[in-house]
Amino acid sequence: RKEVEQDPGPFNVPEGATVAFNCTYSNSASQSFFWYRQDCRKEPKLLMSVYSSGNEDGRFTAQLNRASQYISLLIRDSKLSDSATYLCVVTALPANFGNEKLTFGTGTRLTIIP
Amino acid sequence: DVKVTQSSRYLVKRTGEKVFLECVQDMDHENMFWYRQDPGLGLRLIYFSYDVKMKEKGDIPEGYSVSREKKERFSLILESASTNQTSMYLCASSLYQGWETQYFGPGTRLLVL
Repeated sequence: RKEVEQDPGPFNVPEGATVAFNCTYSNSASQSFFWYRQDCRKEPKLLMSVYSSGNEDGRFTAQLNRASQYISLLIRDSKLSDSATYLCVVTALPANFGNEKLTFGTGTRLTIIP
Repeated sequence: DVKVTQSSRYLVKRTGEKVFLECVQDMDHENMFWYRQDPGLGLRLIYFSYDVKMKEKGDIPEGYSVSREKKERFSLILESASTNQTSMYLCASSLYQGWETQYFGPGTRLLVL
C-alpha cells in the first residue's frame, strides 16, 4: 500500500463551483500534513498546512481526519487560476527536529472550465 | 524571494555517461533535497542533506550519488546513466526551522538515450 494515496483525477469543474478531494495516508504515526500545488510544467509550491482543527485560507479549506487517516482540500468559488495539480504531503517519522522528510502523493489534477 | 536554480532545464545524455545535475539556493537554507518526478509515481526522494558534507539516502538512492561541499550547492550525480533514469529531477531546499516549506527549483528534464 502506498504511503500517501490520491485520486489522480482529472477533476473537470465549472468555474464558480466547489470542489473537494481527499488524500489517505497509511502511517498512523504521521505527524504533519500539507497541500502543495503544482502548475503545469512548473515546480511544486506550498499551498497550505493542514491543522488538526482544520484551517481556512480564503477560498481554500483543509481538514484532517486522524481516525480515518485522510486529509481533504475544499476549494470554493473556483477560479480558472485554480487549475493545477494538488499534491498531498505527509511527514514521515521524524529523524531529528528540523530534519523532516516530506512524502508526496502523486497528485490530483484539477481543471477549471470557463 | 527564495531562489533555487538548477544548472539545466533540459539535458540529453547517452547510456553509460556520467551526469552531473547542479542545484544552488541563495537563502542560506540548511536542508537540500533531490527528487525525481515520474507520471503515476509522483515525487520520490533520492537523497537529502542537512548540512555541508552530510548526506542521507532517500527512498530511491540506487544509481545516484550526491555531493554537498558548500552550503548553497547540492549536486546529484548519475555515475552511469541508464534509460530508466529518464525523468524530471527537482531540487528543493528548506530552513532547518521551517522545514515544512520546501522551495523547489524549476527542474531538469533528463532524457537518457
